[in-house]
Amino acid sequence: KAGVTQTPRYLIKTRGQQVTLSCSPISGHRSVSWYQQTPGQGLQFLFEYFSETQRNKGNFPGRFSGRQFSNSRSEMNVSTLELGDSALYLCASSLDRAGNNEQFFGPGTRLTVL
Amino acid sequence: AQSVTQLGSHVSVSEGALVLLRCNYSSSVPPYLFWYVQYPNQGLQLLLKYTTGATLVKGINGFEAEFKKSETSFHLTKPSAHMSDAAEYFCAVSEGNRDDKIIFGKGTRLHILP
Repeated sequence: KAGVTQTPRYLIKTRGQQVTLSCSPISGHRSVSWYQQTPGQGLQFLFEYFSETQRNKGNFPGRFSGRQFSNSRSEMNVSTLELGDSALYLCASSLDRAGNNEQFFGPGTRLTVL
Repeated sequence: AQSVTQLGSHVSVSEGALVLLRCNYSSSVPPYLFWYVQYPNQGLQLLLKYTTGATLVKGINGFEAEFKKSETSFHLTKPSAHMSDAAEYFCAVSEGNRDDKIIFGKGTRLHILP
């Protein structure tokens, strides 16, 4: 079974631009969660999608948004990029709710904002 | 709301020595607890999880953790460290059957000394 895939793996943008990251979950998994990982802050929860609906949201500004498609693939969008948005963005999928199921993580997308 | 504290952002142990990584949590309801490991340039992988039942949980690669409600702790141990255990370890908590998100600690980087 293929694992969680994320594209692109690396991205360089400049301040003010917007970016879209993509995540393909493991086949059959209905939940997709997104995390921002930075040194010293660990993983910070962005949001979770389940059956095309946002189930939970973390404490990030409205510039961060996401969506999930009927095939469970998910995209995350960040608008008006800031230097502080430079991070590793991780996507994780699980069979059902992320809170009580094992999550399977992708390798991440490394975003650098110049 | 739940929270997780991992004591020590870096821990060094000698090869063959006991590994002890500390995790304390806060939760208003019985928690679900997880330990994940992240090897360099990879996503996270589940080591073990506690939901209900036996408080001593065994995971992969010889790791285990004990849920201690009175101490609100879920420390990760391994009797004998191996060089391949060098990685970053994350403790996480969720409020289980409540439809809630999973919160990760900031991580502990484990260094193995030859």
